[in-house]
Amino acid sequence: GQQLNQSPQSMFIQEGEDVSMNCTSSSIFNTWLWYKQDPGEGPVLLIALYKAGELTSNGRLTAQFGITRKDSFLNISASIPSDVGIYFCAGPFWGGSEKLVFGKGTKLTVNP
Amino acid sequence: DAGITQSPRHKVTETGTPVTLRCHQTENHRYMYWYRQDPGHGLRLIHYSYGVKDTDKGEVSDGYSVSRSKTEDFLLTLESATSSQTSVYFCAISGGTGTKNIQYFGAGTRLSVL
Repeated sequence: GQQLNQSPQSMFIQEGEDVSMNCTSSSIFNTWLWYKQDPGEGPVLLIALYKAGELTSNGRLTAQFGITRKDSFLNISASIPSDVGIYFCAGPFWGGSEKLVFGKGTKLTVNP
Repeated sequence: DAGITQSPRHKVTETGTPVTLRCHQTENHRYMYWYRQDPGHGLRLIHYSYGVKDTDKGEVSDGYSVSRSKTEDFLLTLESATSSQTSVYFCAISGGTGTKNIQYFGAGTRLSVL
């Protein structure tokens, strides 16, 4: 079945550093979604990507839809303590389903 | 939280007892989902609904049932809770105008089965 591989699984960085994480699949995706989950809360959508090659920003966050349609990247610039959390990528199951498949997440820790 | 309320937020129960979790939405979205989240497994789909009285199984549906009698409510029932069902449960909705594939999540229910 469709699977999303997220890496790295966890990151420990200093405040002010830039962060990069990615999501890959053996299947083609038509949509890539990036979510963030704060401790004790539900995931919240950060960025939605709908076109191969698309580059979209949301404040200090930038995400890209890979040209091959099998990967996506999320970058965070100048990290701050409130960036702590788990970042998930997600994409719809093949065939236009509303169901999503999720990566297992990248856990980010920011040291002040 | 996109107008999604999960109740209860926390529950402790004993093995073998029935448990029902409720998800209520005020967005009139067509699709509703129940996920469980466990360390090392990410979010796994339990059941979903594509309309009133229309539901289907997800990847980890054993031991769970759902019902949707109204657009706004989606109930998840554990008929006889087991310790392996200790988890955090999230409800999500989708299908809003102009929100292709985007799911919005509730705040979660933390369930402990002793």
